[in-house]
Amino acid sequence: DTGVSQDPRHKITKRGQNVTFRCDPISEHNRLYWYRQTLGQGPEFLTYFQNEAQLEKSRLLSDRFSAERPKGSFSTLEIQRTEQGDSAMYLCASSPRAPYNEQFFGPGTRLTVL
Amino acid sequence: DAKTTQPPSMDCAEGRAANLPCNHSTISGNEYVYWYRQIHSQGPQYIIHGLKNNETNEMASLIITEDRKSSTLILPHATLRDTAVYYCIVRVADNNAGNMLTFGGGTRLMVKP
Repeated sequence: DTGVSQDPRHKITKRGQNVTFRCDPISEHNRLYWYRQTLGQGPEFLTYFQNEAQLEKSRLLSDRFSAERPKGSFSTLEIQRTEQGDSAMYLCASSPRAPYNEQFFGPGTRLTVL
Repeated sequence: DAKTTQPPSMDCAEGRAANLPCNHSTISGNEYVYWYRQIHSQGPQYIIHGLKNNETNEMASLIITEDRKSSTLILPHATLRDTAVYYCIVRVADNNAGNMLTFGGGTRLMVKP
């Protein structure tokens, strides 16, 4: 399967703990996006990479959140000192550079903060 | 990006065409209409996009009105597996922009036997 993969698929953690999620995009895609989705809502944009450069960050991405994409390949999203409000589905998507940038999404990581 | 309005839910009988409407009255000339769907517990899936001409692919057809203020996604023969939330999104397709997707509430399509 050459689609976008995410790991883990589910994560349960206690409030205050740190968590890290991984996304492996489609190999030839140079753009990578992170979104967050809470129950009953559409996904909300968090951040965007073009190759290894993080070019945009949403105001939703508080100081406790950090994302990296070393070498422009896989990406990680870390949440420090998790809060119950961080409970959500975290979705990763990748897209080719041109021309229409349709995004291909992974299955998501469901985070539950107790 | 322009705002879109979709009905919150629709039903469709299996085997019949599902017609999902979307209003985007403030769309700009360089904005495309994209459709994605999200089946329960999965990530969103790209369906189709268009600028001003009608488009068709193996999944669906997209009909855009001449004034581009509304569009309709057509699933010609809906199956139970088409039950999902369908999102209509309007955005610029620009290599120099981030092109993040702004999802609204979408339409929850229920295909019934």
